[in-house]
Amino acid sequence: DQQVKQNSPSLSVQEGRISILNCDYTNSMFDYFLWYKKYPAEGPTFLISISSIKDKNEDGRFTVFLNKSAKHLSLHIVPSQPGDSAVYFCAVRVGGSARQLTFGSGTQLTVLP
Amino acid sequence: DTAVSQTPKYLVTQMGNDKSIKCEQNLGHDTMYWYKQDSKKFLKIMFSYNNKELIINETVPNRFSPKSPDKAHLNLHINSLELGDSAVYFCASSQGLGNTEAFFGQGTRLTVV
Repeated sequence: DQQVKQNSPSLSVQEGRISILNCDYTNSMFDYFLWYKKYPAEGPTFLISISSIKDKNEDGRFTVFLNKSAKHLSLHIVPSQPGDSAVYFCAVRVGGSARQLTFGSGTQLTVLP
Repeated sequence: DTAVSQTPKYLVTQMGNDKSIKCEQNLGHDTMYWYKQDSKKFLKIMFSYNNKELIINETVPNRFSPKSPDKAHLNLHINSLELGDSAVYFCASSQGLGNTEAFFGQGTRLTVV
């Protein structure tokens, strides 16, 4: 019953290139889609979000794309930097009174210098 | 000046014991959470708690119980520990239930032997 799937456990990218992290979800009732970033021995930190009524949100080097028909979310990092090396979690929020966040299993991004 | 702090960072204990993990946030948030990161790396919500209500994920065994002495603290008590309880437990807080931007502690790695 995994509502959020990150099918790539790891990704390696050269510094300066684009990193594309992907996430698929199963439920059309989510109202927000999010990305969190986690460094070793730290808790996840919020990175960027997008409302279900939009298809793109940009914040500096980070852009999140939402394709509702495909139930697909992606995070683009351009240009990638070594400091971006971390685990990236996709998350979704169920709307309504419960409003809880559901996370995927994460993708380890390694940016090579 | 850590925003969300949890102690201990590591906890090794024997099956059948009762243990507690403490969590404190100094952000003035009204909602706190406990998440469990299992062996497959999914972050799963266990509890959401604010000064009005406790929301329990129905899959959490009743051996787990949150205790909140005040708005800034949400401790996790676990009775009769089992091998399957071994995981990393994260405390988090946010302003408002289900806010997309939650702040996480650094995690407590619990190992039951």
